[in-house]
Amino acid sequence: QQQVKQSPQSLIVQKGGISIINCAYENTAFDYFPWYQQFPGKGPALLIAIRPDVSEKKEGRFTISFNKSAKQFSLHIMDSQPGDSATYFCAATLAGGTSYGKLTFGQGTILTVHP
Amino acid sequence: SAVISQKPSRDICQRGTSLTIQCQVDSQVTMMFWYRQQPGQSLTLIATANQGSEATYESGFVIDKFPISRPNLTFSTLTVSNMSPEDSSIYLCSVLSDRDGYTFGSGTRLTVV
Repeated sequence: QQQVKQSPQSLIVQKGGISIINCAYENTAFDYFPWYQQFPGKGPALLIAIRPDVSEKKEGRFTISFNKSAKQFSLHIMDSQPGDSATYFCAATLAGGTSYGKLTFGQGTILTVHP
Repeated sequence: SAVISQKPSRDICQRGTSLTIQCQVDSQVTMMFWYRQQPGQSLTLIATANQGSEATYESGFVIDKFPISRPNLTFSTLTVSNMSPEDSSIYLCSVLSDRDGYTFGSGTRLTVV
């Protein structure tokens, strides 16, 4: 009920290409869906986030697409750059109740962008 | 966003000993959390650090093994007790503030030998 499933586990993209990472969740009470970027030796950093009342959110080269009926959301990285090479995590959380503030993370995707 | 200082950044410890990790935030925050990230894995929530009261632990984590303190709104500690090699992980402090949302520290990379 609390799981967030992320795919693919790893992704290799050429510079300038589009990187797409997908996540699916089970708990329909989740109402905040962030994506994190993590470089080796660093903590996760918030990249972009969306709430379920919006189907798409774009910030620069990063776009979240959200499909509430399918319980899926995805991260699209346009014009991928070698500097985007990192591990990406999707996550979900609840707005209230005893689980307020607790992030449930996907398994992570290791993105490699070749120059 | 909130700035988190987490110490130590890394340590190598003998099995059977304990290590206390500190998390200091530069502003008052609503909630503080501790996560564990095993090598090459995702993040798993250990507990919510409650200010002035006992931490709330997730399934699979117990207070005797991971005692947590949070004496005020900007500081928390996590102790990893009676360590074994299976405790080798990255331990991350995270905060949730009304102003900045979620922020993570850089983590403490623990190796138990």
